[in-house]
Amino acid sequence: DGGITQSPKYLFRKEGQNVTLSCEQNLNHDAMYWYRQDPGQGLRLIYYSQIVNDFQKGDIAEGYSVSREKKESFPLTVTSAQKNPTAFYLCASSGRHGQNNEQFFGPGTRLTVL
Amino acid sequence: AQSVTQPDIHITVSEGASLELRCNYSYGATPYLFWYVQSPGQGLQLLLKYFSGDTLVQGIKGFEAEFKRSQSSFNLRKPSVHWSDAAEYFCAVGADSGGGADGLTFGKGTHLIIQP
Repeated sequence: DGGITQSPKYLFRKEGQNVTLSCEQNLNHDAMYWYRQDPGQGLRLIYYSQIVNDFQKGDIAEGYSVSREKKESFPLTVTSAQKNPTAFYLCASSGRHGQNNEQFFGPGTRLTVL
Repeated sequence: AQSVTQPDIHITVSEGASLELRCNYSYGATPYLFWYVQSPGQGLQLLLKYFSGDTLVQGIKGFEAEFKRSQSSFNLRKPSVHWSDAAEYFCAVGADSGGGADGLTFGKGTHLIIQP
């Protein structure tokens, strides 16, 4: 079945540690996205990538980093510079243009900083 | 910059009653508009989308939405709700910068409660 997988489902981190969230898709989509969701805040865009080896900052990129070495994969690293990392993180993918840019979402990773 | 407003944080509806969730957007050109639904602790599922053409859009699970350019609105409707419709609903607006699909801008969501 085609879809988006995120791992792990739950992640705990100590303050000062970097942590990497995995996102993989087998939908043959060019574009991939990372969003952060906080209660009552909706989803906010962290980073997105429209093609391999290229990515752009979203609205809240500070304290995060990404890479896009393969079309299928778009890992997100939450660095120690992110002041309030506890949140629900959602990965999505889509085609690049027009009618194809409906976004499909993964099941999410809940990150808790201890 | 684009923005989305969902004026209602919570809505309570009796099972079998009709539903309308409001969404207003701000965007300079013709937007791509979406409604997503989220169950607790889950990802988002697309209900319907508007890109162009007919302003009344049909989606899954019996939902529909109407794009009204003059009011900058894209309200979601359902004639008769079921208990399984209880969830968080998000309206979103998207754009294509010309180089490809940009990220979506989401509203803060409306939490739908269904009364028996």
